[in-house]
Amino acid sequence: QSVLTQPPSVSGAPGQRVTISCTGSSSNIGSGYNVHWYQQLPGTAPKLLIYDHNNRPSGVPDRFSGSKSGTSASLAITGLQAEDEADYYCQSYDSRLSGSVFGGGTKLTVL
Amino acid sequence: EVQLVESGGGLVQPGGSLRLSCAASGFTFNTYAMSWVRQAPGKGLEWVSDISGSGHTTYYADSVKGRFTVSRDNSKNTLYVQMNSLRAEDTAVYYCAKCPNFDSSDNWFDPWGQGTLVTVSS
Repeated sequence: QSVLTQPPSVSGAPGQRVTISCTGSSSNIGSGYNVHWYQQLPGTAPKLLIYDHNNRPSGVPDRFSGSKSGTSASLAITGLQAEDEADYYCQSYDSRLSGSVFGGGTKLTVL
Repeated sequence: EVQLVESGGGLVQPGGSLRLSCAASGFTFNTYAMSWVRQAPGKGLEWVSDISGSGHTTYYADSVKGRFTVSRDNSKNTLYVQMNSLRAEDTAVYYCAKCPNFDSSDNWFDPWGQGTLVTVSS
């Protein structure tokens, strides 16, 4: 059971908008710790997608955005493309565990 | 370009030991904390350990505390993790990753290495 909770799967048609939620608690997201998002394409290493809630590294399209509210965060993907089909993970810091924690991952299927 | 290349994975018996290495290039290694993250086959990501840029501060997940030891040789730009008393549940791809700051708390991981597979089985 992951400390951060994500839906196992989401799906959308090309061009649509999808969101992936990440629910934490008072010892991680709720304490103000930053939330980061990663994309993992099949058979590859994870890649940083969003850091500090809503900042995109160089090279990441602005179709990807993040937000945070209370003990939860969300990743939004607009203008869905076939190449977006991947696993997505949220990550934060947990003060009770004194270390980083990940969500269980969400598999995005582009219909 | 920042590059991280892991090595040292393989098949080991339960109770055995293994040392993984992560060779870094393309940045000033001793000014950044580094991390190990693992992924069991078909499963999600699990943070394993952090080490500060100096190597003086380390952090571990409860699942590996007392069995794994993270270290770094800043003269060789290399990160290590010594894994002892290995269990079947330690079977995973182990990734090293660069943190954005000197110390390791509340960090993101970017970039990641390609990973090295550790299989614990008799």
